[in-house]
Amino acid sequence: TQLLEQSPQFLSIQEGENLTVYCNSSSVFSSLQWYRQEPGEGPVLLVTVVTGGEVKKLKRLTFQFGDARKDSSLHITAAQPGDTGLYLCAATGFQKLVFGTGTRLLVSP
Amino acid sequence: GAVVSQHPSWVICKSGTSVKIECRSLDFQATTMFWYRQFPKQSLMLMATSNEGSKATYEQGVEKDKFLINHASLTLSTLTVTSAHPEDSSFYICSANPLRTASQYEQYFGPGTRLTVT
Repeated sequence: TQLLEQSPQFLSIQEGENLTVYCNSSSVFSSLQWYRQEPGEGPVLLVTVVTGGEVKKLKRLTFQFGDARKDSSLHITAAQPGDTGLYLCAATGFQKLVFGTGTRLLVSP
Repeated sequence: GAVVSQHPSWVICKSGTSVKIECRSLDFQATTMFWYRQFPKQSLMLMATSNEGSKATYEQGVEKDKFLINHASLTLSTLTVTSAHPEDSSFYICSANPLRTASQYEQYFGPGTRLTVT
């Protein structure tokens, strides 16, 4: 059973569009991380959210941690081809990281 | 800073042979290193957690006799896939938790090793 479900699994959009990726669970986490992974490479940490309701911005990316610390979202404004990749949420709190199912994003010029 | 390397970056081996993958933290010492496995178009699945100088802790369903982990120093962990079979073909990624940090969730990931077993 996957603890963290991400939706959508795959998203193909045009440059300039906005999108939101969701990460949901029935468990409460002490913190949650978002990573981006490009093909043939390891994941790179984008952000860590710790407090329920917390919102963090990283340029065109906005991350939110749910009030109950069970879910999170990633919103990208005006997506660019360079945003293409696999987006992974990862939960902490079990002496290890547990990764979500992943969302594959393709941004076409 | 906080760079993790893996070697080799890709390897092709014949069924029945063993393959060793190295994971090094280049500019920091790591108390704990983690090994993940990723199948095409899927997420990362934790295989095992290794602490320097002690036996690795394997996740449920991961054969410890098949995936041998050695963490001999604070900058090096190795994963040996013994008697590899085609179903072991995958992308293997390691991560390292810096000694200096209080959080075990601060992990830096290597670039991965693609293993193909023919």
